[in-house]
Amino acid sequence: KNEVEQSPQNLTAQEGEFITINCSYSVGISALHWLQQHPGGGIVSLFMLSSGKKKHGRLIATINIQEKHSSLHITASHPRDSAVYICAVKGSNYKLTFGKGTLLTVNP
Amino acid sequence: SQTIHQWPATLVQPVGSPLSLECTVEGTSNPNLYWYRQAAGRGLQLLFYSVGIGQISSEVPQNLSASRPQDRQFILSSKKLLLSDSGFYLCAWSVSGWSGGYTFGSGTRLTVV
Repeated sequence: KNEVEQSPQNLTAQEGEFITINCSYSVGISALHWLQQHPGGGIVSLFMLSSGKKKHGRLIATINIQEKHSSLHITASHPRDSAVYICAVKGSNYKLTFGKGTLLTVNP
Repeated sequence: SQTIHQWPATLVQPVGSPLSLECTVEGTSNPNLYWYRQAAGRGLQLLFYSVGIGQISSEVPQNLSASRPQDRQFILSSKKLLLSDSGFYLCAWSVSGWSGGYTFGSGTRLTVV
């Protein structure tokens, strides 16, 4: 069983919809990352959080340490949000453990 | 500002040929450097990390090696590529110590034929 589980694996939405991607993990962590990977492959770091909630534009990330769960929300989704969203958790040292990603497609 | 450069973007190599992928970081000193691989349908996997010049730690036994000849340069190599080496390779850096965020390069898509 993967230490980091994301759901759903695939998500298709209509432009304007509110989107939620979930991440559950089974190990103790010092931080959780949400990453965005576009079709070309390059990865952009969206959030790093260890508690509570962070917001950047239309993106919101939350984490519940007790429940070992995080969510990434996209408000007013747009076709340019189409990408793979990856959750990664970090323990006490260097290592990131990655989920397999959620493929989001937003149709106009 | 800090930036990370990775090249080439795509590469098609025959089985048995050598490999050299290069990654350089600008705007920071003594970064932690990482090589990750993303095989088709799988999550990112850490291959190597380095906390300083000449210091390389390997996570997964394989056909690849890494070197850090300069503080902000990280090289991924192979003497003889295998078909199973195909994948998407990403370089990343983080500030020294383990508390910071990560910055990823744009990646190299390697196809071994």
